[in-house]
Amino acid sequence: GEDVEQSLFLSVREGDSSVINCTYTDSSSTYLYWYKQEPGAGLQLLTYIFSNMDMKQDQRLTVLLNKKDKHLSLRIADTQTGDSAIYFCAETTTGRRALTFGSGTRLQVQP
Amino acid sequence: DAGVIQSPRHEVTEMGQEVTLRCKPISGHDYLFWYRQTMMRGLELLIYFNNNVPIDDSGMPEDRFSAKMPNASFSTLKIQPSEPRDSAVYFCASSLGSGAYEQYFGPGTRLTVT
Repeated sequence: GEDVEQSLFLSVREGDSSVINCTYTDSSSTYLYWYKQEPGAGLQLLTYIFSNMDMKQDQRLTVLLNKKDKHLSLRIADTQTGDSAIYFCAETTTGRRALTFGSGTRLQVQP
Repeated sequence: DAGVIQSPRHEVTEMGQEVTLRCKPISGHDYLFWYRQTMMRGLELLIYFNNNVPIDDSGMPEDRFSAKMPNASFSTLKIQPSEPRDSAVYFCASSLGSGAYEQYFGPGTRLTVT
């Protein structure tokens, strides 16, 4: 079955790097995504990676994928207070376009 | 460009009443999804459509929930009768059927059933 897991909470200081981790179980994943949710808002797509890639960089964001271990991470360089939010990893699988989400990681950035 | 539009943004109703949530997807997108977010269950799929046809409704909780997509630019999610346990934030999302299938979310409807 499908299962996506994340740690619940991460606290960092402004200017440091943040690394948010995610594990998944379904070997038929096609794409993996990172979404950001601020309080009272919808989900904002940050980035995604194809399951056959191992890294993708987009400005301050770096996504690493270890397909063997089914481990995904999101690194945010030079974390700012505006990055404080809940971050969700999600996947789509072969034949299923709907997203399966992790439980979300709350990132707190301290000044 | 307008994103996904949902209405109402907030809905407060009494148990037993009918509730209708509305969604307008991004123009040109051929997939539309309804998700629900609660503290207990997180984000979960309710139903999704491709070219206005329901593809997967396995997440619809029970017969009290129904969803329609009469045309490419409009979808509704109806709950009748509503119950307190239906209180949640309901999100609509849309995507193209090609590329990385990126889904773009609306702002959500916060439903409170008293």
